[in-house]
Amino acid sequence: SQKIEQNSEALNIQEGKTATLTCNYTNYSPAYLQWYRQDPGRGPVFLLLIRENEKEKRKERLKVTFDTTLKQSLFHITASQPADSATYLCALGGKLSFGAGTTVTVRA
Amino acid sequence: GAGVSQSPSNKVTEKGKDVELRCDPISGHTALYWYRQSLGQGLEFLIYFQGNSAPDKSGLPSDRFSAERTGGSVSTLTIQRTQQEDSAVYLCASSDRDREGYEQYFGPGTRLTVT
Repeated sequence: SQKIEQNSEALNIQEGKTATLTCNYTNYSPAYLQWYRQDPGRGPVFLLLIRENEKEKRKERLKVTFDTTLKQSLFHITASQPADSATYLCALGGKLSFGAGTTVTVRA
Repeated sequence: GAGVSQSPSNKVTEKGKDVELRCDPISGHTALYWYRQSLGQGLEFLIYFQGNSAPDKSGLPSDRFSAERTGGSVSTLTIQRTQQEDSAVYLCASSDRDREGYEQYFGPGTRLTVT
C-alpha cells in the first residue's frame, strides 16, 4: 500500500539554526511533491512544489530537495525564527495524500 | 483576493442527526477537494470535483457521506446519521488545475463534534 512517512513528530531547534525535515514515500511514482505549513486551528498553507525532474527548489529561507531514486524529499528551514514554529506536511498526488507532519518548535 | 471560506466554523450535533458543511472556493478555481483531519489520524482525502466531470468519491468512508457542487462553485458535504467517529475537522481546498503546479488553497475548516 502507499505510504508517506515524515521523520519525526516533533523537532525542537534553536533560533538561527537550520531545521531539516524528511519525507519518505513508498509505492508512489509522483510527478511532483508538495510541502505545506499548518498552524493550530487553521488549514494547511502551500509552501513549495517540486517536480520529479527538479533536484532542488528554493523560496526565501526554505529549500526542498527531491530524490526519486531514494523516494525521499528533504525540507530545510534556514536561519530559523520562532515564527517558523508550525507543523509541516509533505503531500503527494493530485488528491493529496499527506504525511502525518512534523511539528517544528523554534526556541528564541 | 478572498480565500476559501467554510461554514460553520464549529458544529456540535447529536449522534444520529444529519449535518451539512459548506465550502466557498476561490473564484475561478475549477477543482475542489474535501479532506478530513482527525486527532492522531492526519489529513485524509474524501472527495474531489473537477469542472463538470463526475466527482471522485473514492475517499468517502461510508455511504452516509455525500457531497455536491452546484454551478461549479459552492460545495456542500453532507453527513447523514452522524456517528461519534465522524468527529473531526473537515477541510475544503480549491485549486486552479489550469495552472501548472496544482497547489491547493485550504479553507479554515469546520470542526464537527458529534455527542
